[in-house]
Amino acid sequence: NFMLTQPHSVSESPGKTVTISCTRSSGSIASNYVQWYQQRPGSSPTTVIYEDNQRPSGVPDRFSGSIDSSSNSASLTISGLKTEDEADYYCQSYDSSNQVFGGGTKLTVL
Amino acid sequence: QVQLVQSGSELKKPGASVKVSCKASGYTFTSYAMNWVRQAPGQGLEWMGWINTNTGNPTYAQGFTGRFVFSLDTSVSTAYLQISSLKAEDTAVYYCADGTTWGQGTLVTVSS
Repeated sequence: NFMLTQPHSVSESPGKTVTISCTRSSGSIASNYVQWYQQRPGSSPTTVIYEDNQRPSGVPDRFSGSIDSSSNSASLTISGLKTEDEADYYCQSYDSSNQVFGGGTKLTVL
Repeated sequence: QVQLVQSGSELKKPGASVKVSCKASGYTFTSYAMNWVRQAPGQGLEWMGWINTNTGNPTYAQGFTGRFVFSLDTSVSTAYLQISSLKAEDTAVYYCADGTTWGQGTLVTVSS
């Protein structure tokens, strides 16, 4: 099985841009889609990015996803940060037999 | 709109069983596989496995074999997670999720 490694926490000021990374331990990041989920305190997760870079309807275009084969990682970028973006963010991907979540990144907007 | 609505919180004693339901609406139930995800208190998300909503065939992740059973009732667009021989360490919020939609979660507390 592979692992997805995320930074434990990141912080940034309102209005700024933040990028959260997600590095795959084995196998190509490009081989299987990456999803990103937002989980606010006390709430269930919601999907903010699916299939590497697609936004579900209702997710603002301040959220974008990308993959970088050279670093075997995926990234979630949030621009124009708002205090409501403060949450835990999880990446997720899969291989032929398993789905894997990253450990989660706590985003603080202050 | 697409929605997954889960059953309410459960308080169970060790050794008991619990069955969590997840009712889908707003789409054709058999269009997407149903995943189950566990979140222990203060911890991250852990994939438990999935069930093929067309065939009913379940796939369990490592660590979720034996006491965990996924099932369906397609007539009411509902997926189920049953956990038997409950242990204190099963205390967690359990989520169902299809492609992009998540249920609201079901808290299962195991305590004597």
